[in-house]
Amino acid sequence: DGGITQSPKYLFRKEGQNVTLSCEQNLNHDAMYWYRQDPGQGLRLIYYSQIVNDFQKGDIAEGYSVSREKKESFPLTVTSAQKNPTAFYLCASSDRGPSSNQPQHFGDGTRLSIL
Amino acid sequence: GQQLNQSPQSMFIQEGEDVSMNCTSSSIFNTWLWYKQDPGEGPVLLIALYKAGELTSNGRLTAQFGITRKDSFLNISASIPSDVGIYFCAGHVSTGNTPLVFGKGTRLSVIA
Repeated sequence: DGGITQSPKYLFRKEGQNVTLSCEQNLNHDAMYWYRQDPGQGLRLIYYSQIVNDFQKGDIAEGYSVSREKKESFPLTVTSAQKNPTAFYLCASSDRGPSSNQPQHFGDGTRLSIL
Repeated sequence: GQQLNQSPQSMFIQEGEDVSMNCTSSSIFNTWLWYKQDPGEGPVLLIALYKAGELTSNGRLTAQFGITRKDSFLNISASIPSDVGIYFCAGHVSTGNTPLVFGKGTRLSVIA
């Protein structure tokens, strides 16, 4: 089945550690996105990528990093510089980039908690 | 970044009742999308709207693209317990190469 796979479902991080969240899609979509969701805050955009080897900062990129070496994959690293990383992280993809108005399709999320 | 005003924030309704929620923006949008999120899962696309005045249905759900292009409405008829969840509106601003803007969601609870 085509879709977006996020792993792991739950992740625990010790303070001072970097952690990487995986996002893979087999929809052949050009664009991929990372969002952070906190209770009552809706979805906030961290980073997005319109094509391989290109990515743009979203509204809350500080403390995060991404790479887009393959079309199918868009991993997110939560660095130790992110002081409040506990949240639900959602990955999404769309057929073409933001200007195409194509809907985004979401994975099932990764819940990150600090030990 | 831009924000959409989505209301109400939360709703408690009896099973069988109809539900209405809406989103407004200060900017003109050329696309409106409605998503539903179940607990612990990612949002799922319900309805996509691409033209001012467009009215689209998906089962018991009906959404409309406002004629001013600054608002959109979602109605759910004859609610059932599985309608429980968070409903998000999202839209594309008509100018620039900007990603989707999301509302903060409407949390729907259905009392059987």
